[in-house]
Amino acid sequence: EAGVTQSPTHLIKTRGQQATLRCSPISGHTSVYWYQQALGLGLQFLLWYDEGEERNRGNFPPRFSGRQFPNYSSELNVNALELEDSALYLCASSHRDRFNSPLHFGNGTRLTVT
Amino acid sequence: GDSVTQMEGPVTLSEEAFLTINCTYTATGYPSLFWYVQYPGEGLQLLLKATKADDKGSNKGFEATYRKETTSFHLEKGSVQVSDSAVYFCALIHAGKSTFGDGTTLTVKP
Repeated sequence: EAGVTQSPTHLIKTRGQQATLRCSPISGHTSVYWYQQALGLGLQFLLWYDEGEERNRGNFPPRFSGRQFPNYSSELNVNALELEDSALYLCASSHRDRFNSPLHFGNGTRLTVT
Repeated sequence: GDSVTQMEGPVTLSEEAFLTINCTYTATGYPSLFWYVQYPGEGLQLLLKATKADDKGSNKGFEATYRKETTSFHLEKGSVQVSDSAVYFCALIHAGKSTFGDGTTLTVKP
């Protein structure tokens, strides 16, 4: 079974630009979660998508947005990049219809804003 | 809302020492509890899980018991190895919503 895949692995942008990060969940998983992990810090919850809809959102400004496609893959967009957006962005997927099922993580996209 | 509190790190141990990383939680309803491990440069890997009270999750010599009376899910290992050096995250999931602890960095020295 292929795991959660994220692309690109690394992304370098300058302040004010936009970044697009992509995630493909494990086959059969309908829920996708996005997290931000700044260097040396824990996971900060960004977004949760299920069946194409946004189910929950963390405490981030509106310039962080995303969507989930009919094939359950997902995209995270960060507009008007700021230096503090530099972080590892992790995507995870799970079975929505299995009660309290675990999250399976990808290896992340390292975003560097200069 | 739900919350997870982990023992602050970093934790440094000698090889073959006993490991405990404390984790307590607050939650409504009946969450499932998890421990994840993150090696440098990688995403989080599921280490073990427990879905109801008194369940014991175990994997690779690590164990944790879901204690509803003390709202705890402490991670233990009887004899750590250098290869166990990583960041460990305690987490709860309930009805699709996830809550992670801040992570505990473990360094095992030979």
